[in-house]
Amino acid sequence: KQEVTQIPAALSVPEGENLVLNCSFTDSAIYNLQWFRQDPGKGLTSLLLIQSSQREQTSGRLNASLDKSSGRSTLYIAASQPGDSATYLCAVTGELHNAGNMLTFGGGTRLMVKP
Amino acid sequence: DVKVTQSSRYLVKRTGEKVFLECVQDMDHENMFWYRQDPGLGLRLIYFSYDVKMKEKGDIPEGYSVSREKKERFSLILESASTNQTSMYLCASRSSASYNEQFFGPGTRLTVL
Repeated sequence: KQEVTQIPAALSVPEGENLVLNCSFTDSAIYNLQWFRQDPGKGLTSLLLIQSSQREQTSGRLNASLDKSSGRSTLYIAASQPGDSATYLCAVTGELHNAGNMLTFGGGTRLMVKP
Repeated sequence: DVKVTQSSRYLVKRTGEKVFLECVQDMDHENMFWYRQDPGLGLRLIYFSYDVKMKEKGDIPEGYSVSREKKERFSLILESASTNQTSMYLCASRSSASYNEQFFGPGTRLTVL
């Protein structure tokens, strides 16, 4: 069974710092990996989707990389801002049709960016 | 932009009541999902549907049922609400075209007293 782990569980950084969030998964047979942002009490907002054939995706100050063979992904946030404070979740979709190709989520990293 | 809406942001019900949570998406997606999210347990899949009138159990279907009579609407039903069903409920949808992105609604915070 696929397991997704995110380290660290919580992170506090000063404004302006570049930071990296980590995601690892146990089964490398994935179709894609998705990074989400969740603000307190709200739903999930999709940030980046990386297909298994891709190595990275970029959107603004965000860059996500994928090393499928080693079961790892990173989310790089450049020049962090207080508005980046949220919980970041990664999730993988299995390669084979397994009960609807549902996402398997990590536990999330709670990020706080201090002014 | 894909839009997934949920009927209520906050809901308070009493033990034993029948509860309906509604989800609507406007992008003609085939797949729709219901999750619950609890501190320390993360997101867990309750049920999903890959077509009208089709449904599949997720990881934690006990105590829940679903209905999908129209493609855009997916309902989660708590037949007899219990206090351990107090949670944040999240609906999501996704196209089958190429395992595209999954899009989430704003969530419903349900409290069962």
